[in-house]
Amino acid sequence: GENVEQHPSTLSVQEGDSAVIKCTYSDSASNYFPWYKQELGKRPQLIIDIRSNVGEKKDQRIAVTLNKTAKHFSLHITETQPEDSAVYFCAASILTGGYQKVTFGTGTKLQVIP
Amino acid sequence: DGGITQSPKYLFRKEGQNVTLSCEQNLNHDAMYWYRQDPGQGLRLIYYSQIVNDFQKGDIAEGYSVSREKKESFPLTVTSAQKNPTAFYLCASSITEGATGEQYFGPGTRLTVT
Repeated sequence: GENVEQHPSTLSVQEGDSAVIKCTYSDSASNYFPWYKQELGKRPQLIIDIRSNVGEKKDQRIAVTLNKTAKHFSLHITETQPEDSAVYFCAASILTGGYQKVTFGTGTKLQVIP
Repeated sequence: DGGITQSPKYLFRKEGQNVTLSCEQNLNHDAMYWYRQDPGQGLRLIYYSQIVNDFQKGDIAEGYSVSREKKESFPLTVTSAQKNPTAFYLCASSITEGATGEQYFGPGTRLTVT
């Protein structure tokens, strides 16, 4: 089955700096790559996603890049703010039996230091 | 928030007792999922259901059972056979037809078994 690896597990940055979180996946048939943000004690929420036919997508301060050949995708957060502090999960999704099966990475705890 | 709810938020049980976690959604989603979240391990799929009266085992189904008698409801029972049941449990739902894979999460139930 699909295997998603995520690095780093923890990341501390100064406010205003950029943060980059990287993920790799194993199944080349994966076609959808969402990123979720989970604040302490709360539910994960989708912040950005990318499909396999797109190489890059940007939404204000966050962007995601996808390298299908290398099976890598990354989340980039620019001009970080304290409210960006949370756990971020990447995921890879594959259509199987008419169902989109999502496999999550192990999460990155981002701390933005004011 | 809203759309998918879980109750209760915190649940305490004695070892050897079965316990049922509630999950309800009013998003008219066909697919529903149960995940377990442990520190440093991300989200692991327990069970999923694509349609009423049908469900499939996920990656860590042992010691758990589910039912899907109504489209809106997908309760999870943690049985006494689950060796390490203390965890944060998240329910999610998504559309299936033309699915993007995006999942909408409930607020979670933190189960503590002593």
